[in-house]
Parts: sequence; structure tokens; C-alpha cells
Amino acid sequence: GNSVTQMEGPVTLSEEAFLTINCTYTATGYPSLFWYVQYPGEGLQLLLKATKADDKGSNKGFEATYRKETTSFHLEKGSVQVSDSAVYFCALSGTQGAQKLVFGQGTRLTINP
Amino acid sequence: DSGVTQTPKHLITATGQRVTLRCSPRSGDLSVYWYQQSLDQGLQFLIQYYNGEERAKGNILERFSAQQFPDLHSELNLSSLELGDSALYFCASSIRAGGPREQYFGPGTRLTVT
Repeated sequence: GNSVTQMEGPVTLSEEAFLTINCTYTATGYPSLFWYVQYPGEGLQLLLKATKADDKGSNKGFEATYRKETTSFHLEKGSVQVSDSAVYFCALSGTQGAQKLVFGQGTRLTINP
Repeated sequence: DSGVTQTPKHLITATGQRVTLRCSPRSGDLSVYWYQQSLDQGLQFLIQYYNGEERAKGNILERFSAQQFPDLHSELNLSSLELGDSALYFCASSIRAGGPREQYFGPGTRLTVT
């Protein structure tokens, strides 16, 4: 079945550092890929998405590119802020049947001032 | 604010009891999904409804059931509760059943079984 693997956390960075959170997936066909963010005590918010190979999703300075050849969708940000501290989830949605989301295990990111 | 509402925000109950969690999707969304988030299992898909009909089932226990009403709100019923059912339960909605549509999540219901 479909699956998503994220880099182990937690990740701790200093403000203005460069961020990469790795995400790889296993799926049949051409899934849609998403990054969701969960701030403390809140639900999941859609951060960005990509629906086909080579698409780049971007939002709030975050970017991720759908790489079919490496089955990856790594999240990057050039200069992180303290307010980016949260848990980040990579997820995929299949192309056939029900559109349930399959999530990675989440990566906790802490940004220190 | 995603536009998806869930009640209650917190629920504390005892083992063996039954509870009902409620979800109202975003205006216009026909599809509702339920997910469970726990420390050991992560985020797991439970069940999906589309316009009142069950569309897909995931890792949902037989003690759990759900329904979607004509006004499109959904309820998740959890019965014979066990300590291991303690988790965050999220509802999400999207516009339609098929196609690569993103899902919008509610704030969740935190269930504690004592």
C-alpha cells in the first residue's frame, strides 16, 4: 500500500538557518503530495501541495518539489523564524478510489532565537 | 480558521462508556474524513463519507461507527471505550470524493479515557 517516510525528529535550528525536512513516498500511480503543519494545541493546516511530477508547491517561504524519479517531496525554507516552530507532516493522496491521506510520522521543528 | 468545526474540544470519560464526536464540514464540502492521532500510531485514517454515504474505511475498530447527516455534518461514535482509545480525533472535509483535492482539518477533539 501507499506509505510516507519522513526524517526523524526532533529538529532544532537557530533563527535564519536553512531548513530541509526530507520526505519520501511509496505509491502506485501518480499521487498528490502535501505538507501539513500542526502548531501546539491546534489542528492540521495545509502548508503546500503538488499534484504532478516536477510541480513546486510554495507558501509562506516554504517550498517543496514533487520528484517522481526519487519519489521525494522534501520541504525547504531559506530562513526560518521562531514562529515556524511546529510539527510538520508529509502526506499523500492516491489517485484512485477514496482520497484518504496517508501521513508520515511527523517532524517536530524547534527554532531558537 | 479552516471552516471545519468540531465539538467538543475535550472529552474525559471512563472505560466502557460511549461518546459521540461531532463535525461540521466547510460550507459546500460534501466529503468528510475522520482521523485518529495518537503517539504510538501517528495519524491514521478511520472512515470517509461523501454526501451521506460511506465511501471508504480505514483502520476503524468495530466498536467505532460514523454517519453523515442530510445537512452534511458527521458524527463519530465510539463505544465500549478502552484506555487505548485516548487520542486526538480530527475531522477533515473536502469538496468531492475523487480527484486530488486537499483536505481541510478541524481543531480536533481530545479524548481521554480513564
